[in-house]
Amino acid sequence: VQLVESGGGLVQPGGSLRLSCVGSGFSLNKYWMHWVRQAPGKGLEWVSRFYSDRSNIDYADSARGRFTISRDDAKNTLYLQMNSLRAEDTAVYYCARALGYQSGESIWGQGTLVTVSS
Amino acid sequence: DIVMTQSPLSLPVIPGEPASISCRSSQSLLHSNGYIYLDWYLQKPGLSPQLLIYSGSKRASGVPDRFSGSGSGTDFTLKISRVEAEDVGVYYCMQAVQTPFTFGPGTKVDI
Repeated sequence: VQLVESGGGLVQPGGSLRLSCVGSGFSLNKYWMHWVRQAPGKGLEWVSRFYSDRSNIDYADSARGRFTISRDDAKNTLYLQMNSLRAEDTAVYYCARALGYQSGESIWGQGTLVTVSS
Repeated sequence: DIVMTQSPLSLPVIPGEPASISCRSSQSLLHSNGYIYLDWYLQKPGLSPQLLIYSGSKRASGVPDRFSGSGSGTDFTLKISRVEAEDVGVYYCMQAVQTPFTFGPGTKVDI
């Protein structure tokens, strides 16, 4: 059971990037799936979550209108499309399963680094 | 948004001695369904966070029994009965009773 993120890299301000998170050992569509980020040397910031469809999506204010979370069940993959990127979006982005569940099933990926700089 | 605070922010510890971290929320983390939505995570140096405690007081699978969580409403505590060298890192509390989920600022524990 694990999550593996990819898609990070260096992007210019105003640019776009799509992060991916592949799950193995379980089906992503059975859980709320989340993106959480951590700016260099800083704490954890929740970004977004997705469950079954567009009616079950939430965003932090910092992400709403610029980021889009989605899932491909055939690929068992969670995505985060990030547009209009800013320097303050620079962070390690973690994919996480089941945050806050009463069953204690939370797991995190290893993270992928996004750097927004000219 | 629910604001999470932690104290202390830095905690020097001695192996074999107990340690305690406090977490407070600006609103109650007791849901109308009767469950508490408070998790504790440990982020060891260079690694991603790992779940220690969920529902305020339940140990996650594989977590040593020297870790315990307690509290209700807005005040919570994580205790380590006897600190070991492998316990160093940053401890975060997180509320999941409402979105946006929010984390405490973290407590850095080192030997």
